Amino acid sequence: GAGVSQSPSNKVTEKGKDVELRCDPISGHTALYWYRQSLGQGLEFLIYFQGNSAPDKSGLPSDRFSAERTGGSVSTLTIQRTQQEDSAVYLCASSLAGRGPGETQHFGDGTRLSIL
Amino acid sequence: AQSVTQLGSHVSVSEGALVLLRCNYSSSVPPYLFWYVQYPNQGLQLLLKYTSAATLVKGINGFEAEFKKSETSFHLTKPSAHMSDAAEYFCAVTPGGSGNTGKLIFGQGTTLQVKP
Repeated sequence: GAGVSQSPSNKVTEKGKDVELRCDPISGHTALYWYRQSLGQGLEFLIYFQGNSAPDKSGLPSDRFSAERTGGSVSTLTIQRTQQEDSAVYLCASSLAGRGPGETQHFGDGTRLSIL
Repeated sequence: AQSVTQLGSHVSVSEGALVLLRCNYSSSVPPYLFWYVQYPNQGLQLLLKYTSAATLVKGINGFEAEFKKSETSFHLTKPSAHMSDAAEYFCAVTPGGSGNTGKLIFGQGTTLQVKP
């Protein structure tokens, strides 16, 4: 079946611009996570959505970062006024929630973001 | 709070030799532990996970790991390395128990090189 799909796969933009990254989770997966992978910081949790519950935003590094999930499916991560330190690979994962935190997270191939 | 330490950012083995990748964790509650593999320009793929059942966990591609509470370790092993095992490996922890989101805390990763 189809896995987690992320778009675009690569994004190059100028410092100060806004960017939107998209994630299509596996059909039927109610939990969705965003992570960031950078050379300096490794893999970091950003935000978590579960159904209609309030998202866990505890990993967002600044108020320039926001995310939404419409209709319990597709999610968009938005970075406003991008900075060079935002350059990283942004990974999305989804899982069948409701079975506890041990449920396997399935990852997309990520969006490689480069800020010039 | 949870944390993960992977000992050795780079490990090199000969084809056919034993693979041992080390992971130590810190967790204030019983943890769930995961090993993921990442190939170039791809997302993360689950190798195996420990979720408080058997302490010796078998995963895909011949890998296994043993949860040792007394040593706070979850080392990954494979008896005989293949060239195709060359990749980056991540150990991750999340607090167990209901009510937790499952957000993963990752180690810094270990790059496995397999020499012919």
